[in-house]
Amino acid sequence: AQSVSQHNHHVILSEAASLELGCNYSYGGTVNLFWYVQYPGQHLQLLLKYFSGDPLVKGIKGFEAEFIKSKFSFNLRKPSVQWSDTAEYFCAVRGSQGNLIFGKGTKLSVKP
Amino acid sequence: GAGVSQTPSNKVTEKGKYVELRCDPISGHTALYWYRQSLGQGPEFLIYFQGTGAADDSGLPNDRFFAVRPEGSVSTLKIQRTERGDSAVYLCASSSPRLAGGRDTDTQYFGPGTRLTVL
Repeated sequence: AQSVSQHNHHVILSEAASLELGCNYSYGGTVNLFWYVQYPGQHLQLLLKYFSGDPLVKGIKGFEAEFIKSKFSFNLRKPSVQWSDTAEYFCAVRGSQGNLIFGKGTKLSVKP
Repeated sequence: GAGVSQTPSNKVTEKGKYVELRCDPISGHTALYWYRQSLGQGPEFLIYFQGTGAADDSGLPNDRFFAVRPEGSVSTLKIQRTERGDSAVYLCASSSPRLAGGRDTDTQYFGPGTRLTVL
């Protein structure tokens, strides 16, 4: 069965620090990968997605993610975080029927 | 434009009661998904509609859960004989699929969810 692992449960950073959130998936075929973000009190929003092509994907708000097929990874990065990036981040892979399979999420707290 | 809406935003019920949760997808979106998010977990898939039919209901935990989408737009998730373990946030998402090899490849847009609490 497909699954997604997010290894960091809670990450605490100071403003301007660099961010990398880990995501590993288990699926041997063609993958579609996503990062969603949930800001406090808001609904899930798409940050970025990978379907094919360039493995380095750029999303909104300065986020990017790199698909590394050999490592089954799709880590999320941002060079310099802001207080407004405080949120919960979810990695997901598309399942065989089109549904999304999510990781457990990583809470990011950015200290001003 | 309007996004996915869900009502009610909060629902408190007693164990054993019946509840209905409603989802209004983005206009024109033919694909609709229900997910459940328990505390400390990511969303877990429940059921997927393509138009009026349930294309995949493999995520429904048991026969107390049922969902309908009679006109291919609004969907209702129905839970019978609620249990305390059903307490969670129920999320709905819709997409406008560009089918590729039979798979929905488009982005899913999520609603705000319904927080269900079973006492």
